Amino acid sequence: SQKIEQNSEALNIQEGKTATLTCNYTNYSPAYLQWYRQDPGRGPVFLLLIRENEKEKRKERLKVTFDTTLKQSLFHITASQPADSATYLCALLLSGGYNKLIFGAGTRLAVHP
Amino acid sequence: DTGVSQNPRHKITKRGQNVTFRCDPISEHNRLYWYRQTLGQGPEFLTYFQNEAQLEKSRLLSDRFSAERPKGSFSTLEIQRTEQGDSAMYLCASSLEGQGFSPLHFGNGTRLTVT
Repeated sequence: SQKIEQNSEALNIQEGKTATLTCNYTNYSPAYLQWYRQDPGRGPVFLLLIRENEKEKRKERLKVTFDTTLKQSLFHITASQPADSATYLCALLLSGGYNKLIFGAGTRLAVHP
Repeated sequence: DTGVSQNPRHKITKRGQNVTFRCDPISEHNRLYWYRQTLGQGPEFLTYFQNEAQLEKSRLLSDRFSAERPKGSFSTLEIQRTEQGDSAMYLCASSLEGQGFSPLHFGNGTRLTVT
């Protein structure tokens, strides 16, 4: 069956450290993988996209890697801040799709001062 | 860019009643999506519009659900004869079709509680 798996347990880290979140998928062949941030009671906000032929993408303190052999993406936040505390969702856009995204359940990140 | 607007933010209704939600997308966006999200889960795709045409509906969208996007502007999602299992956050998103990738812009959702 097709699955997207993200760590269901919350990730607690100390301010200033690097947070690493994992997204694994099975039985999909995504053209793109995207990461969104969601705060409580709000809609998801787009952060980064990485294409199937890209290994790594960076934006300010954010870095995403994409390994289509392992079927895994890692999302890193360097020099984390309490304001980074949120739920982070990975989403797959399948080849030939029109922006129909398949979302994982998300991982909640808590950054402590 | 005033963002995607959804109304109401919260709706409490009794089982069996009908409810309607409204979504106003970003004005120049021609694609509009409805998703549903339950606690602890990611958003699940419900349906998609390209301008006024509804091009895909998920199997999650039973015949009690109907969505419209008249004139390719705002959209409404109606649920008839609500059931407790319909309780969820209903999210609307829009994007612009064009060259290259266009991210989805989500509204802040309508939280439905069916009692």
